[in-house]
Amino acid sequence: EVQLVQSGAEVKKPGESLKISCKGYGYSFTSYWIGWVRQMPGKGLEWMGFIYPGDSDTRNSPSFQGQVTISVDKSISTAYLQWSSLKASDSGIYYCGRRAIFGGGPFEMWGQGTMVTVSS
Amino acid sequence: QSALTQPASVSGSPGQSITISCTGTSSAFGDYNYVSWYQQHPGKAPKLIIYDVNNRPSGVSNRFSGSKSGNTASLSISGLQAEDEADYYCSSCNSISAVFGGGTKLTVL
Repeated sequence: EVQLVQSGAEVKKPGESLKISCKGYGYSFTSYWIGWVRQMPGKGLEWMGFIYPGDSDTRNSPSFQGQVTISVDKSISTAYLQWSSLKASDSGIYYCGRRAIFGGGPFEMWGQGTMVTVSS
Repeated sequence: QSALTQPASVSGSPGQSITISCTGTSSAFGDYNYVSWYQQHPGKAPKLIIYDVNNRPSGVSNRFSGSKSGNTASLSISGLQAEDEADYYCSSCNSISAVFGGGTKLTVL
């Protein structure tokens, strides 16, 4: 089955580091851009960045530049979103999505989301 | 890209039709016809329901349709059903970025 499976929920303290994952199944992982989207509690969707697993080409949202790192390990079909020092305001649900090859490249498939809670 | 503006909420009765607007600057929409719409039920991941203004992915009901005029894109839902109650987001993507609207909560009365 073609799907994206994300890592499980995380509870962290401010200042801690975190790396969450998004693994692709059932398709050529290196051929599709993967994007990350944040949803803060009760709020809307915010685009964070894209990565192309084929060559690790990355595009970052100015709103998240320097706050997170997007990476990929194509040998295991997995994309990552990483924080070096979490803040309480990083709490939310993080979704990965596969961009379509057609048209404007909308997010045609999504992972189930990873809930991140940052609290002292 | 600039923000895309949606109404916070819309409502309709079963069987009726509703329209959700998404207004942005020409720079927000960028590549003019790359507007997509997503449906999100509580606790669930978003689901693509319209792409490139007015195209439906396979499996999406033909009760959902999209259009665009000037700097306003619209999502229309006909024959409202209880299962349509959800949040809806417009979006525009290009090769280097993406932007989402603030979302619209649809209530089926």
